This record gives sequence, C-alpha cells and structure tokens, in this order.
Amino acid sequence: GQSLEQPSEVTAVEGAIVQINCTYQTSGFYGLSWYQQHDGGAPTFLSYNALDGLEETGRFSSFLSRSDSYGYLLLQELQMKDSASYFCAVRGTDKLIFGTGTRLQVFP
Amino acid sequence: NAGVMQNPRHLVRRRGQEARLRCSPMKGHSHVYWYRQLPEEGLKFMVYLQKENIIDESGMPKERFSAEFPKEGPSILRIQQVVRGDSAAYFCASSPQGSISTEAFFGQGTRLTVV
Repeated sequence: GQSLEQPSEVTAVEGAIVQINCTYQTSGFYGLSWYQQHDGGAPTFLSYNALDGLEETGRFSSFLSRSDSYGYLLLQELQMKDSASYFCAVRGTDKLIFGTGTRLQVFP
Repeated sequence: NAGVMQNPRHLVRRRGQEARLRCSPMKGHSHVYWYRQLPEEGLKFMVYLQKENIIDESGMPKERFSAEFPKEGPSILRIQQVVRGDSAAYFCASSPQGSISTEAFFGQGTRLTVV
C-alpha cells in the first residue's frame, strides 16, 4: 500500500520559519512533491525532490532523504498570504499520491 | 496559453441525478488525471487517462462512476445516480507525454453539491 503522514496543522507568526514534515511508505517511488492549496483554490506546485538533499526556491525549500522515507518543506520569512494547506505527494509510476495535508495558519 | 480548464465550477444535483464534469487539459498535454477532495481532506486519486484509453482506474468506485477522454473534446467524469456522499471537489490535472511529470497542472476544480 501507499501512505503519507503529515501534521494536520501548524501555526506561526509573520516573519518566522516553519517546517512541515512528511513521511511516506510506497511501493514505487520516483520523487516527492509539495503543493500549496488556498481555501477554495486549486493545488499549485511548489517543489520536487527526486534525489536526496535540499532544493531551494526563493523563500521555500524542500528536503528529501530517500533512505529515511522522509522529507520536509521549509517556509522562511512567513507572510500572511502563506496561510494555506500544504500537501506532500509521492510520484509513483503513473500518478501522484497525496498526503492528507497540513493547514498552516500565519498570525500577525 | 490557457491552463487546465474545468467546468462547471459549481454543480448542484439532486439525489439520483447524473453529474457530468468536464476537463480540458493544457495545450499539448495528452494525459489527464482526476482527483476527488472531501472537505478538510487530501486529494484522492481516481483515474488516469490518455486519449481514448483508461490507463489506471484503481481509485474509481466500481459503480456509478465512469471517465472518458475522447480523441476530440474534453475529458468527462460522469457520476450516475448521485448520492450525498458524492459531494466533494473534483480536480483534474494534466501532464505532457509519459508518466505524470514532476509538476502536475491542476484545474480550478468542480465543486459538486448533492441535495
């Protein structure tokens, strides 16, 4: 089977740094993606890791450890607009399998 | 270059009616994926289609649900005899040739409400 575990909710204040963890268990693995979804909106792509290590894209970074079946999304210099749900997703052979999502609330 | 287009954005159906959800992939994309999202939950894979072929329907309920992606026109997700439990947001994603790419492009979704 396939499963992904994420914390259900994280809170932080503007300007802070927050890390959202994701552990996965899959039968086939090609990479770990992260998506952002605002209430009522569509999921939008943030980052992808196929190999171990850190990928940085502006204020967002994503990390993967294949040996630990673990990854995280790091959000720096938090802004109010970062309040949203964040999903990790495992890319299998022919589809993306999503975690249950982490709801991030940023307070002023 | 339009993104993935889904319509309608909102759909209300009475129990027992049929719901038809449409998805036009991005230009040049020939692979379509349908996902269902219940309130406060993640996206659940339903079906993966290429033009005129169903590649993986492992996430589709065995009854009442069907999907197609004809040679011409949008992909259609069809739900017959809808029940209250079908109320959800249905998202479509597309990717170019081959397996889903590292970045999937999602439409804005169709929010189905069954009354």
